[in-house]
Amino acid sequence: QVQLQESGPGLVKPSETLSLTCSVSGVSMRGYYWSWIRQPPGKGLEWIGYIHYSGTTKYNPSLKRRAAMSVDTSKNQFSLNFSSVTAADTAVYFCTRDFDPFDYWGQGTLVTVSS
Amino acid sequence: QSVLTQPPSVSGAPGQRVTISCTGSSSNIGAGYDVHWYQQLPGTAPKLLIYGSTKRPSGVPDRFSGSKSGSSASLAITGLQAEDEADYYCQSYDSSLTSFVFGTGTKVTV
Repeated sequence: QVQLQESGPGLVKPSETLSLTCSVSGVSMRGYYWSWIRQPPGKGLEWIGYIHYSGTTKYNPSLKRRAAMSVDTSKNQFSLNFSSVTAADTAVYFCTRDFDPFDYWGQGTLVTVSS
Repeated sequence: QSVLTQPPSVSGAPGQRVTISCTGSSSNIGAGYDVHWYQQLPGTAPKLLIYGSTKRPSGVPDRFSGSKSGSSASLAITGLQAEDEADYYCQSYDSSLTSFVFGTGTKVTV
């Protein structure tokens, strides 16, 4: 079955770059889009962006170009870099398959921004 | 702030029917974009519950149903069960924001 697993540091300092990787198993990445979504503690969901297996990307304009995604189909992984983080970027970050709808989700990883 | 508005909470007794509304506008649901619903059990990732406004993925009980009319959509849960206690989110696309958007979320209490 399709499984996604996020990995990366749980603590990032303000102004630094948050880097996360999503490992995909049970399906080839080819032919699909792959997304990142985040959820601040106790709050709602926010779409960050998606990347196609070919490398095409689309990001949420409200994030002011701080997000950058990449994909490595040979490793069945895709990644998120999120720059200039502040405490407001503290959230659980989820990776998902596809968009509209987001049909498979990873379990999520909590990233805390703090010095 | 979200462009899709949901009631913060709804509650019902076991076996009852509850509905959750998702109110949008002419740049999202009213423009004809699909509406999807997700269920988030406590401490877990969201799970796709309804897609394309009315369709259920394999494995989702038929107690869950979706509808859409104009700029709004609704999720209905019939035969409410204790295991349905969760947060529910609607989701669509907004052409003004050029972004996928989620509703404000509704906590269902049984």
